[in-house]
Amino acid sequence: DTAVSQTPKYLVTQMGNDKSIKCEQNLGHDTMYWYKQDSKKFLKIMFSYNNKELIINETVPNRFSPKSPDKAHLNLHINSLELGDSAVYFCASSLAGGAGGNTEAFFGQGTRLTVV
Amino acid sequence: AQSVTQLGSHVSVSEGALVLLRCNYSSSVPPYLFWYVQYPNQGLQLLLKYTTGATLVKGINGFEAEFKKSETSFHLTKPSAHMSDAAEYFCAVLTGGGNKLTFGTGTQLKVEL
Repeated sequence: DTAVSQTPKYLVTQMGNDKSIKCEQNLGHDTMYWYKQDSKKFLKIMFSYNNKELIINETVPNRFSPKSPDKAHLNLHINSLELGDSAVYFCASSLAGGAGGNTEAFFGQGTRLTVV
Repeated sequence: AQSVTQLGSHVSVSEGALVLLRCNYSSSVPPYLFWYVQYPNQGLQLLLKYTTGATLVKGINGFEAEFKKSETSFHLTKPSAHMSDAAEYFCAVLTGGGNKLTFGTGTQLKVEL
């Protein structure tokens, strides 16, 4: 049973296109995230949702629009793709943030997006 | 703002040798600290975490880390490296009021025969 699954694993597309990446978790977590990993392996958070509500938006261009239909799903839609969007995108989930020890995030396998 | 700094973007050790990956944190409040490992073309997997309590934390695959408040450090160690340990290692701190992980820049571990 995959805990955090994201699709597709690879995505190659042309500049200007619109694409979506889907993410689902079966861990019963109420917080989900999107992280971007660049070519130098640097990981940076993009968005965080708690119970379908956006709680973190880290100055991401508004071409990126996350959507959470329920707390088990967090999809990422990207409009007008640019070359600089090429990266690996990771979905993750955790129990609610704040106090407590069960705050580690569980990550999906990543989606390697290549914009040509 | 809370952050972590990983010293050394690349570390190379011989198989059987001690592994030491360095992480220093900056935090005005007691931090929650994590080490994750990323194997090639894979997602991140939690190795270990420190929240409260015992400062020496044991994780999976024989790794451990010690939280040292006086040194603001959370270095990752393993007594004897194995070829299968070759991967990218990330130190992270829980920030944003507990709502996000902020990662260090990563350390690539190479294990040589």
